Amino acid sequence: DAGITQSPRHKVTETGTPVTLRCHQTENHRYMYWYRQDPGHGLRLIHYSYGVKDTDKGEVSDGYSVSRSKTEDFLLTLESATSSQTSVYFCAISELAGGHTGELFFGEGSRLTVL
Amino acid sequence: AQSVAQPEDQVNVAEGNPLTVKCTYSVSGNPYLFWYVQYPNRGLQFLLKYITGDNLVKGSYGFEAEFNKSQTSFHLKKPSALVSDSALYFCAVREAGGGNKLTFGTGTQLKVEL
Repeated sequence: DAGITQSPRHKVTETGTPVTLRCHQTENHRYMYWYRQDPGHGLRLIHYSYGVKDTDKGEVSDGYSVSRSKTEDFLLTLESATSSQTSVYFCAISELAGGHTGELFFGEGSRLTVL
Repeated sequence: AQSVAQPEDQVNVAEGNPLTVKCTYSVSGNPYLFWYVQYPNRGLQFLLKYITGDNLVKGSYGFEAEFNKSQTSFHLKKPSALVSDSALYFCAVREAGGGNKLTFGTGTQLKVEL
């Protein structure tokens, strides 16, 4: 299994509070991603990173920010959580160099409930 | 914009019978296509990919997928289903341009019954 750790794995919070989810990888892969999974929507990309300090928005980026200060860590922040952000969040990593062909490897997910 | 459609929310099949999970795609340029499987309360696991070459791609756990350019399809198949294959399956397509971003379908729940 790819070395990807998400924390926390479960979190319950209240509307209006800030939340940070952490993704840590030990594979030294260049690309990192945050997806959310919701019934009927599959996986939707929130933000992704193509290197340290290099990030870009995905399909559903409103209300979320990210930071990547080190290759191994990618943080997802909800500045002021809303009930619509209740979801399961997945971190993924990938690499195109060194013979890799770009498939994503996923973490185990972080279940967030916003009351 | 690229997109993936999985027309069936659920597929039911008897153990031992062949299974097919359908996927169609829309993308500019050459498609890079992927299948993933998700077991309950787990992350997605990579099954197989089509980048170039043979239209029939073999992957993990006996699964294979057939790329059909004229029908813009990439259906997942297995000759003989197992109860343990029951899971949620996602098709994905890589976007044109840089960044290696994948767009996922909405998923198909596969249920294999005895």
